[in-house]
Amino acid sequence: KQEVTQIPAALSVPEGENLVLNCSFTDSAIYNLQWFRQDPGKGLTSLLLIQSSQREQTSGRLNASLDKSSGRSTLYIAASQPGDSATYLCAARETSGSRLTFGEGTQLTVNP
Amino acid sequence: GAGVSQSPSNKVTEKGKDVELRCDPISGHTALYWYRQSLGQGLEFLIYFQGNSAPDKSGLPSDRFSAERTGGSVSTLTIQRTQQEDSAVYLCASSSDRVYEQYFGPGTRLTVT
Repeated sequence: KQEVTQIPAALSVPEGENLVLNCSFTDSAIYNLQWFRQDPGKGLTSLLLIQSSQREQTSGRLNASLDKSSGRSTLYIAASQPGDSATYLCAARETSGSRLTFGEGTQLTVNP
Repeated sequence: GAGVSQSPSNKVTEKGKDVELRCDPISGHTALYWYRQSLGQGLEFLIYFQGNSAPDKSGLPSDRFSAERTGGSVSTLTIQRTQQEDSAVYLCASSSDRVYEQYFGPGTRLTVT
């Protein structure tokens, strides 16, 4: 059974700082890995999708990497802004299945 | 309106009553998923529909939960004889069958009193 872990559970940084969120998964046989953002009381917004054959994906100030062999993914946020404050979730999709298995999330606060 | 929509946004019901939650996926998406998000449990998979294939119901927590998808589009999640532990946010997502990037709706917050 796939298990996804995110570290840290919470992070508070000053505006402008570069930061890294970590995600680890126990079963390396994944189809893809997706990073989401969730604002309080809202649904999930997809940020980046990395296919199992890819090493990284970039979108604006966000860069996500994937290392299947070690069971890890990282989300790098450059020049953080207060608007980046949210909970960030990573989720792995099984190769043979269909569901996403989610981590518990990292609650990020960027202080002005 | 290109996104996934869900209704109602909030639902308060008495213990023992039945509820129906609705999801309208992104047009053209063949896959539809239901998840539940509750305090202390994180996001849990419930059920998955892909085209005309039999749904993957392996995440449904009990036989009080059921879902259907009519015409390959709209889906309804039904909870019978609701219990307080059913209180959660129910999220729906859809994806195409090529990239499988899942797009989520805003969720339905269910409160069972």
